[in-house]
Amino acid sequence: NAGVTQTPKFRVLKTGQSMTLLCAQDMNHEYMYWYRQDPGMGLRLIHYSVGEGTTAKGEVPDGYNVSRLKKQNFLLGLESAAPSQTSVYFCASSYQRYEQYFGPGTRLTVT
Amino acid sequence: GQQVMQIPQYQHVQEGEDFTTYCNSSTTLSNIQWYKQRPGGHPVFLIQLVKSGEVKKQKRLTFQFGEAKKNSSLHITATQTTDVGTYFCAGPSSSGYSTLTFGKGTMLLVSP
Repeated sequence: NAGVTQTPKFRVLKTGQSMTLLCAQDMNHEYMYWYRQDPGMGLRLIHYSVGEGTTAKGEVPDGYNVSRLKKQNFLLGLESAAPSQTSVYFCASSYQRYEQYFGPGTRLTVT
Repeated sequence: GQQVMQIPQYQHVQEGEDFTTYCNSSTTLSNIQWYKQRPGGHPVFLIQLVKSGEVKKQKRLTFQFGEAKKNSSLHITATQTTDVGTYFCAGPSSSGYSTLTFGKGTMLLVSP
């Protein structure tokens, strides 16, 4: 089992460009999450999903959109990247309300 | 809104010394989880505590959940260089269904 995988691992964008981060899990988890991690800020929830076709806003959703068309995939989109979105992005999944399994992360720089 | 606070933010110890990080929630928690993130890595689940006053051990790591279920601690006995990383506590969010609120973490550095 690969667990939770994320693509890409690194990306550099110019302000105003768009991109999609892909998260995939092979554990048949219903719940999936997108976090961003900034120095000294811990992990902040961007969006989450409790099942295929459902999404909800987290603590810091502005500037991001998500989709969960398939149970195993959770996509995070940035329509118009801003330097404030420079961060490390982690995807996680869980079986209901139990422990979360994190992917390896995507390091995004917006110039 | 709900807050989960951790202290200290950072601690540097000599190998063999003990280490403790504390987690405090502004609200009562149904459970608390602990995660470890190695430098350059991703958070990895360590343990979940559910009962008031619960104490669990994993080798040199001891986890406690407070009687009022608003605080928790992680104690490492005789630290090793492999303990280096950031330790996060997390509790169920009061606002989101099946989401966690993470503390900002305690970064542990261990010198040999």
